[in-house]
Amino acid sequence: GDSVTQMEGPVTLSEEAFLTINCTYTATGYPSLFWYVQYPGEGLQLLLKATKADDKGSNKGFEATYRKETTSFHLEKGSVQVSDSAVYFCALRIPNAGNMLTFGGGTRLMVKP
Amino acid sequence: GAVVSQHPSRVICKSGTSVKIECRSLDFQATTMFWYRQFPKQSLMLMATSNEGSKATYEQGVEKDKFLINHASLTLSTLTVTSAHPEDSSFYICSARDYSGLQETQYFGPGTRLLVL
Repeated sequence: GDSVTQMEGPVTLSEEAFLTINCTYTATGYPSLFWYVQYPGEGLQLLLKATKADDKGSNKGFEATYRKETTSFHLEKGSVQVSDSAVYFCALRIPNAGNMLTFGGGTRLMVKP
Repeated sequence: GAVVSQHPSRVICKSGTSVKIECRSLDFQATTMFWYRQFPKQSLMLMATSNEGSKATYEQGVEKDKFLINHASLTLSTLTVTSAHPEDSSFYICSARDYSGLQETQYFGPGTRLLVL
């Protein structure tokens, strides 16, 4: 079945450090890929997405490129801030197959001043 | 952006009682809503898909008589945990799908933390 694997956290970084959160997937079809962020006490928010191979999603300084050859969608940010501290979820959805999201396990990011 | 609310945000109940959680789409109509369950340090697991005016579709392993879902209007879906037990303690999150924009978007509620004593 479809699945998403993320690097386990927590990831602890100093402010202005470079961030990478790895995400790989297995899917029977051609998925759309998403990154969601969950700030403390809040619901999930869509951070960015990509719908086909080689697409790059970007938002708020974060970016991720849909790599079909490596089945990956790694999240990166060049300079993290304390306000980026949250849990990040990678997810996939197979279009026209119920349109349900399949989530990875989540990665907690902690950014220290 | 569109907002999805949940009520209550936190509930503590005694074992054997039933608890109702509401999920509302505040500025759009949602024919489809989803209910997820999130265990500590784990990902979201889809429990069921709630369809307005029809029966919910439950994922494998989710007891439909235990987790009653009612999607009575285009802006409200409810999840009732019947005869709750301590193992039902979890974080329940709903989401609603908005088809009104150029692209379909799924918005998530803030979650409801349930603690069964």
